[in-house]
Amino acid sequence: DGGITQSPKYLFRKEGQNVTLSCEQNLNHDAMYWYRQDPGQGLRLIYYSQIVNDFQKGDIAEGYSVSREKKESFPLTVTSAQKNPTAFYLCASSIPAGLIYGYTFGSGTRLTVV
Amino acid sequence: KNEVEQSPQNLTAQEGEFITINCSYSVGISALHWLQQHPGGGIVSLFMLSSGKKKHGRLIATINIQEKHSSLHITASHPRDSAVYICAVESLMYSGGGADGLTFGKGTHLIIQP
Repeated sequence: DGGITQSPKYLFRKEGQNVTLSCEQNLNHDAMYWYRQDPGQGLRLIYYSQIVNDFQKGDIAEGYSVSREKKESFPLTVTSAQKNPTAFYLCASSIPAGLIYGYTFGSGTRLTVV
Repeated sequence: KNEVEQSPQNLTAQEGEFITINCSYSVGISALHWLQQHPGGGIVSLFMLSSGKKKHGRLIATINIQEKHSSLHITASHPRDSAVYICAVESLMYSGGGADGLTFGKGTHLIIQP
């Protein structure tokens, strides 16, 4: 079955270290997205990519970087410049087809920086 | 940008009760998602709706496009249903959406007591 795989589910890192979160999809979707969730808050857009080798900043891109070298993969790096990296990170993808986005969601990665 | 409101924010109920969680949005959409997130856990997609009603086990989701409103119902609630339930709407492309066309509600925190 097609879907989105995020790994790992739980990740622990020491402060000051960069860490890369994986997101892979086998849905043949063109667009991919990264969101961040903080306790008690809604999900916010970090970065998105509508096509291979292209990506755009979302609402809270500072301290993060991404790449989109393959259609299937959209890894997110949380850099040491991100002041509060501990959060839940969700990856999603969408077609889009015509006027419809058609989102599919990953299960997320919970990052804890100590 | 589409505005998404969920109600209630918090809900505590007794095992066996019928549960209703509501989601309202401001601009026409192409689809609405209901997501489930257990404490400390990942995201699970429950439903994607563009019209009518869907049922999966004890969960029922309905949407009224004219009234811009969706409800998630849980019948015969159980403590394992305790989770945050998140509504997310896909705005019609180029109409009411942000950069990604997706708007999340802040979630409803449900606790089912034995």
